Amino acid sequence: GQQVMQIPQYQHVQEGEDFTTYCNSSTTLSNIQWYKQRPGGHPVFLIQLVKSGEVKKQKRLTFQFGEAKKNSSLHITATQTTDVGTYFCAGPGGGATNKLIFGTGTLLAVQP
Amino acid sequence: DGGITQSPKYLFRKEGQNVTLSCEQNLNHDAMYWYRQDPGQGLRLIYYSQIVNDFQKGDIAEGYSVSREKKESFPLTVTSAQKNPTAFYLCASRPKASSSDTQYFGPGTRLTVL
Repeated sequence: GQQVMQIPQYQHVQEGEDFTTYCNSSTTLSNIQWYKQRPGGHPVFLIQLVKSGEVKKQKRLTFQFGEAKKNSSLHITATQTTDVGTYFCAGPGGGATNKLIFGTGTLLAVQP
Repeated sequence: DGGITQSPKYLFRKEGQNVTLSCEQNLNHDAMYWYRQDPGQGLRLIYYSQIVNDFQKGDIAEGYSVSREKKESFPLTVTSAQKNPTAFYLCASRPKASSSDTQYFGPGTRLTVL
């Protein structure tokens, strides 16, 4: 079945350092969504990318959708302690259900 | 998140007992979902419903049951047949089961079976 993998599984950085998580799908995606889950909280929608090669920015966060629409990345510039959490990518499962297939997630720890 | 409520936040049950987790949404969303999350793990889909009176099994449906009698409600029952029920349970909804729709999550219920 369709799989969405993320690397790394865990990343520990010093505050101020950059961070990148990569998302890879086994199938081509019509779009990709990114969610953030704070420790003890629930996933919250961040952004959706639709076009091949699309790049979107939200302040220090830069999201990119690959040309082949099978991979995506999230880059955080100059991390802050508020960036701590698990970042998930998610893509449509296809077919009539279109259920979201969530990636395995990347847990980001930021040391002050 | 905003219009999706799950109760209670923490739930303790004895082994062998069935327990029902509540999920209510006032967003007028058609599609609703139940996920299970174990510590340090991703989200695994238990059941989902695209419309009232219809639901489908997700990837880990064994030991769980659901109903969708009303658009705004999608309760999940964790039965005694579920071998490892202790986990964080998340309910979510989408306007429609469309590929471009954002998913909105409730605050979750942490179930501990003693």
